[in-house]
Amino acid sequence: QVQLVQSGAEVKKPGASVKISCKSSGFTFTDYYMHWLRQAPGQGPEWMGWIIPDSGKTNDAPRFQGRVTLTRDASISTVYMEMNSLTSDDTAVYYCARGGEIQYQLPNGDFDLWGRGTLVTVSS
Amino acid sequence: SELTQPPSVSVSPGQTARITCSGDALPKQYAYWYQQKPGQAPLLVIYKDIERPSGIPERFSGSTSGTLVTLTISGVLAEDEADYYCQSAGIDGTYVVFGGGTKLTVL
Repeated sequence: QVQLVQSGAEVKKPGASVKISCKSSGFTFTDYYMHWLRQAPGQGPEWMGWIIPDSGKTNDAPRFQGRVTLTRDASISTVYMEMNSLTSDDTAVYYCARGGEIQYQLPNGDFDLWGRGTLVTVSS
Repeated sequence: SELTQPPSVSVSPGQTARITCSGDALPKQYAYWYQQKPGQAPLLVIYKDIERPSGIPERFSGSTSGTLVTLTISGVLAEDEADYYCQSAGIDGTYVVFGGGTKLTVL
């Protein structure tokens, strides 16, 4: 079954870090750009960056550079998003999503497969 | 936001809903449309301006004209009530942008 399975909800205090996982199945993980996005309550999606699972090359959105680290473990078809220095503004649902095929498409196209999302709540 | 959508659109069942999205990058970059229902992840309904993924009903279509792209839902059903987001790459292609979203209400 083609799917992305994300780790469970997190509650963090301001200043802490969070690391979310996203395990893919049903498709060749290394063939696709894998993206991370988030959606704050009542807001639209916000793109955070992508990673190429094979090489580990990343491209982060400017507003997250220095605070977000995208990594992967290709042996278990899993990508990770770690964010540090959390504030209440980081309270959101975080999604991983499959982008285009690396061989054929540019990285910043559509997202045709999404995880169910991971709620991160930052509260003192 | 680099992509501008109307906050809301309302139609009666069976009518045609048109949701617009404008942005300077759109003549250069493809547009994509997502449907999002409460508590669910977004669902891709249109890609590359006008293409429809498999499994998406034919009543969903996309069009483009210059800096404006439009998602059209013909013969709207109650189940189409949702938030709709347009998405594109930035004008230099190095990042992704979303519109602010349009809430479609089926009266």
